[in-house]
Parts: sequence; structure tokens; C-alpha cells
Amino acid sequence: DTAVSQTPKYLVTQMGNDKSIKCEQNLGHDTMYWYKQDSKKFLKIMFSYNNKELIINETVPNRFSPKSPDKAHLNLHINSLELGDSAVYFCASSQTIRGNTEAFFGQGTRLTVV
Amino acid sequence: QQQVKQSPQSLIVQKGGISIINCAYENTAFDYFPWYQQFPGKGPALLIAIRPDVSEKKEGRFTISFNKSAKQFSLHIMDSQPGDSATYFCAALGGFKTIFGAGTRLFVKA
Repeated sequence: DTAVSQTPKYLVTQMGNDKSIKCEQNLGHDTMYWYKQDSKKFLKIMFSYNNKELIINETVPNRFSPKSPDKAHLNLHINSLELGDSAVYFCASSQTIRGNTEAFFGQGTRLTVV
Repeated sequence: QQQVKQSPQSLIVQKGGISIINCAYENTAFDYFPWYQQFPGKGPALLIAIRPDVSEKKEGRFTISFNKSAKQFSLHIMDSQPGDSATYFCAALGGFKTIFGAGTRLFVKA
């Protein structure tokens, strides 16, 4: 069983389109995240949700809108895609109540905007 | 704002040698320090982690050394193997956030 799964794995789309990435975790964790990894491999946190509530929004453009229908799911919708949005997006989850634990990552979604 | 500084950016080590990667953090609110290994096309995977009340943790060939007063921690890979060739990230956790270092690309020559 995959602990953190995200779909799709690859996404190629044109500028101006709207797209979504889905993420699910079966670890029973209370916190989920979206990270963006650029071409230089730098991992930057975008959002953090704890029990469906937005905790962290790291100055991400409004075109990015996360949605957490329940604590096992965190989806990312991106409006009006731009060339600079091309990157690998990782979903992750961790347990934060009663002490922080490490985050477990999905396999990533490679987004290419053409 | 980079809160976790990692060095070196890249590292080449002979098979059987010791790989050493260093990290420094600024925020004393961080309370958990994991290291991740990432292979091309894969997500980062947890390698080993340490809490600040421990100065060293060893798991197999991987050892974390932690210096709380200096706010520094390092990863040592003993007997490095070609299969260890990957990108390694240190990280620091606190406040619903995992902050990553910039990564170190390790290449182990056979």
C-alpha cells in the first residue's frame, strides 16, 4: 500500500489552463503539505494543513488554491498556469500532535507548462 | 529566507570512503532534524532523524552528529557505496513546517 499517493505523475499543459493535482495519505497523519521542487532541486514549502485547516501559506500566488476535504486528502488546484509554474510538486504528510515527526512524501507530479 | 544552510552543494567520494554533509539552522524553535535521500524521479525518503536532546544517532552506515549550542548537525555515510549516489537533504521541523536545506548531490565513484 502506498503511504502518500498523488496523481497524476506527469502533467503537460498549455499556459493559461487550469489543472488539479490530487493527494491522499493512508498513514493516519494529521498534517499534510504541498512542496514545490524547482530545477535546482530546492524544496520549498507552499502550504501546510492540519486537520483540514490551513496553517501555512508561504506567499504562494492566489492562482494556487489547496483544498482539504478531510485530513487524509489535500488537493492542489492551479488557475491560469504560467511557464514559471513548471516544477515537480510533492505532497507530504506527518503527525504533529504529541511531538513533531518526519514528513512522508509522495512520488511527485512533474508539471510542465508549454 | 533560508533557515537551514546545507553544504557542500555537491560531493564526490570514492567507494568505501566517508561522505560528510553539514547543516546549520537559525531558529531555535526547531525540534526535530531528519535527513532525506532522493533518487531521480522519486520523492524524498526519510533516511535518519534526530531530536536536539541527543548528540549522535547511528543507523547502519548512517550517523547524525548534532551540536545544539552551535546549531549545527551533520550526516556521515560510512563505507560509501555507488548505490548511495543521490541528493541528500537535511531538514528542520517546527510549527507545522519542515524546512529543507538546499541539498547535496553525492556521487560515489566505483
